[in-house]
Amino acid sequence: DAGVIQSPRHEVTEMGQEVTLRCKPISGHDYLFWYRQTMMRGLELLIYFNNNVPIDDSGMPEDRFSAKMPNASFSTLKIQPSEPRDSAVYFCASASYGGMSEAFFGQGTRLTVV
Amino acid sequence: GEDVEQSLFLSVREGDSSVINCTYTDSSSTYLYWYKQEPGAGLQLLTYIFSNMDMKQDQRLTVLLNKKDKHLSLRIADTQTGDSAIYFCAEDTGRRALTFGSGTRLQVQP
Repeated sequence: DAGVIQSPRHEVTEMGQEVTLRCKPISGHDYLFWYRQTMMRGLELLIYFNNNVPIDDSGMPEDRFSAKMPNASFSTLKIQPSEPRDSAVYFCASASYGGMSEAFFGQGTRLTVV
Repeated sequence: GEDVEQSLFLSVREGDSSVINCTYTDSSSTYLYWYKQEPGAGLQLLTYIFSNMDMKQDQRLTVLLNKKDKHLSLRIADTQTGDSAIYFCAEDTGRRALTFGSGTRLQVQP
């Protein structure tokens, strides 16, 4: 397996525009997580899914953020409208739980909103 | 609530030992993890410890867990320049999503 695949790797957009980040988890993993990393706040959990169902979205900053997982092999994180304070690195991770379980991270999407 | 704390920065000389510390507040954590993040990359699992263990050794890495004080440490023996990275501790309280610390940036000087 190629690991968790995120696209795009870099995104620069203007304030007010819609941004869609994409993630392909590792095949067979039934948990998918979206994290955001900034210098000020570190690594924050935004939302996670189990078997394509959102379990905990309490970390989603506000209504401008939404996440979907239409099937086991694809998830999106959308920001509409984007703001400069959304600039961060967004990571997707997947895991398959049974005892100790490793979360495998993608390479991240570096988002810059100007 | 959950809050994992780490010091932000550590600088050591090549060949020395590095000790990175972490404190956590949720006593129900089942597993505790150390992840490594190299520049421009995602996080990779380095090692982990089950909550009923005090110590775990894996080659150059030693993890110490003090459950009473909720203190976790990672010791890297014979630190190399390739060990320069950000190290995150994380806890799994059973809700399946890890809570990460702020990360410790390790700088290894030649």
